[in-house]
Amino acid sequence: AQSVTQPDIHITVSEGASLELRCNYSYGATPYLFWYVQSPGQGLQLLLKYFSGDTLVQGIKGFEAEFKRSQSSFNLRKPSVHWSDAAEYFCAVGRNAGNMLTFGGGTRLMVKP
Amino acid sequence: GAGVSQTPSNKVTEKGKYVELRCDPISGHTALYWYRQSLGQGPEFLIYFQGTGAADDSGLPNDRFFAVRPEGSVSTLKIQRTERGDSAVYLCASSLAGGRTDTQYFGPGTRLTVL
Repeated sequence: AQSVTQPDIHITVSEGASLELRCNYSYGATPYLFWYVQSPGQGLQLLLKYFSGDTLVQGIKGFEAEFKRSQSSFNLRKPSVHWSDAAEYFCAVGRNAGNMLTFGGGTRLMVKP
Repeated sequence: GAGVSQTPSNKVTEKGKYVELRCDPISGHTALYWYRQSLGQGPEFLIYFQGTGAADDSGLPNDRFFAVRPEGSVSTLKIQRTERGDSAVYLCASSLAGGRTDTQYFGPGTRLTVL
């Protein structure tokens, strides 16, 4: 069965600093990987997704993620964090048929001024 | 255009009662998903509809949970004999056709509290 692990429950960074959120997955076939962001009172919003091809994918709001098959990882990065990026971030893997998502436990990002 | 909407936004009920949660997907989306998000956790898959039929209900925790989508659009998640452990945010998502490359768009959720 597939699973997703986000090792960091909370991360605090200073505004303007770089960010990396870790995600490790377990999946028997080629994984379809996603990063979602959830802000208070709002629904989950897709940041980016990886299916195949270039292992570095660009998303919205200046985020990018790199797929590393050898490490079973799909880490999310941003070069310079803004206060508005404070939210909860979820990594997910999609199953084959129907694309039901298996989510990690999430990482809560706090941004210091 | 309109996104996925869910009603009610909040539902408080007593243990043992029956509840219905509604989801209106994005118009034209044939795939519809229900997830449950408990406090401090990531969403967990419950059930997936393709059109009117439940294509995969392997995530439903027990037979107290049931969902329908009779006309292939609006869906209702039904919970019988609610228990305190059912308290969570119930999320609905829709995608164009359920393909692996299709983006799932999520609604704001219904927060269910069972007293």
